[in-house]
Amino acid sequence: GIQVEQSPPDLILQEGANSTLRCNFSDSVNNLQWFHQNPWGQLINLFYIPSGTKQNGRLSATTVATERYSLLYISSSQTTDSGVYFCAVESFQKLVFGTGTRLLVSP
Amino acid sequence: NAGVTQTPKFQVLKTGQSMTLQCAQDMNHNSMYWYRQDPGMGLRLIYYSASEGTTDKGEVPNGYNVSRLNKREFSLRLESAAPSQTSVYFCASSGNFFVSDTQYFGPGTRLTVL
Repeated sequence: GIQVEQSPPDLILQEGANSTLRCNFSDSVNNLQWFHQNPWGQLINLFYIPSGTKQNGRLSATTVATERYSLLYISSSQTTDSGVYFCAVESFQKLVFGTGTRLLVSP
Repeated sequence: NAGVTQTPKFQVLKTGQSMTLQCAQDMNHNSMYWYRQDPGMGLRLIYYSASEGTTDKGEVPNGYNVSRLNKREFSLRLESAAPSQTSVYFCASSGNFFVSDTQYFGPGTRLTVL
């Protein structure tokens, strides 16, 4: 099946710093989504982005489908950005999740 | 508008006991899903219901059954719980089948099987 790899696995930032999270996938996909899981376990959909670039406030995402990767940018990070970021891609009409990037933003 | 709700939030079972996890959504979505999340891992799909009246197996269906009770509700049943089923269970819904649509997640049920 399709493989989804995320890097880095862990990231520690000082508040105000910028960061880039990466998602590589092993096969072409029609759908890619980014999720944030906050420290209380709640999962929030950030972007539905099979290709191109989208922005939402301090977050933006870019997917280059032909090269099988997606990037999530977090600018001016805040402590509320802490948690785990997952990308998920479609495989045989099912979402397959990566293992996530655990982000800790310290004050 | 509560979104996706799940009950219970926490549960402890003994090996061999049965239980049903409840999920409801109030967004008039057609599709609903059950995932499990194990420590340090992403979510894995257990079962899904593309539309009212249909259910299908996901990646890890063994040991589980589901019921799409109506458009709003989708339950997950463990007939004979095993320690390997200790996990956090998430229910999700989306407007249309399947993945080319945003999925909205419930708060999760943390299940421990002793």
